[in-house]
Amino acid sequence: NAGVTQTPKFRILKIGQSMTLQCAQDMNHNYMYWYRQDPGMGLKLIYYSVGAGITDKGEVPNGYNVSRSTTEDFPLRLELAAPSQTSVYFCASSFITIPPYNEQFFGPGTRLTVL
Amino acid sequence: GQQVMQIPQYQHVQEGEDFTTYCNSSTTLSNIQWYKQRPGGHPVFLIQLVKSGEVKKQKRLTFQFGEAKKNSSLHITATQTTDVGTYFCAGDGGSQGNLIFGKGTKLSVKP
Repeated sequence: NAGVTQTPKFRILKIGQSMTLQCAQDMNHNYMYWYRQDPGMGLKLIYYSVGAGITDKGEVPNGYNVSRSTTEDFPLRLELAAPSQTSVYFCASSFITIPPYNEQFFGPGTRLTVL
Repeated sequence: GQQVMQIPQYQHVQEGEDFTTYCNSSTTLSNIQWYKQRPGGHPVFLIQLVKSGEVKKQKRLTFQFGEAKKNSSLHITATQTTDVGTYFCAGDGGSQGNLIFGKGTKLSVKP
């Protein structure tokens, strides 16, 4: 299993550009998440999904959109990139069968810089 | 909103010394998880504690969950250079499956 994969690894955007961060998992996990991590800070939840076709906002959703058309894929869309969106973005997944056990598996991250 | 506070923010130790990081929640948690992130890496799950007063050990690492389920600690005995990284605690965020992460404790170990 590849686990959780993310592309690209690095990206530089100009202010106002848009892009999609890709995330895929091959573990048949039902839950998927997008986090951002700013320097010296913890992880903040942007959006999450409990299954295909179902998404919900996390703590910091403004400026982002997501979709979940399949169990495997959970892309994150940035519209009109701003310098405040410079961060490292992590995608994660978990397989919640018996709450509250919900270990999350993280992808390697995408380092995004907006100039 | 719910907060998970973690202290200290940084800890520098000599190899062989012990290390402890503490986590406190503003609300009672149903469970708490601990993750380790190596420099330049991604968070990796270490353990989950569920029961009040629970203590779990993984080799030199000891994890505790408070009796009131509002605080937790991670203790490393006799640190090694391989322990370097940032340790995060994460409490359940109210919605099933969501986690609220602390800001982490960055551990550096001097050989």
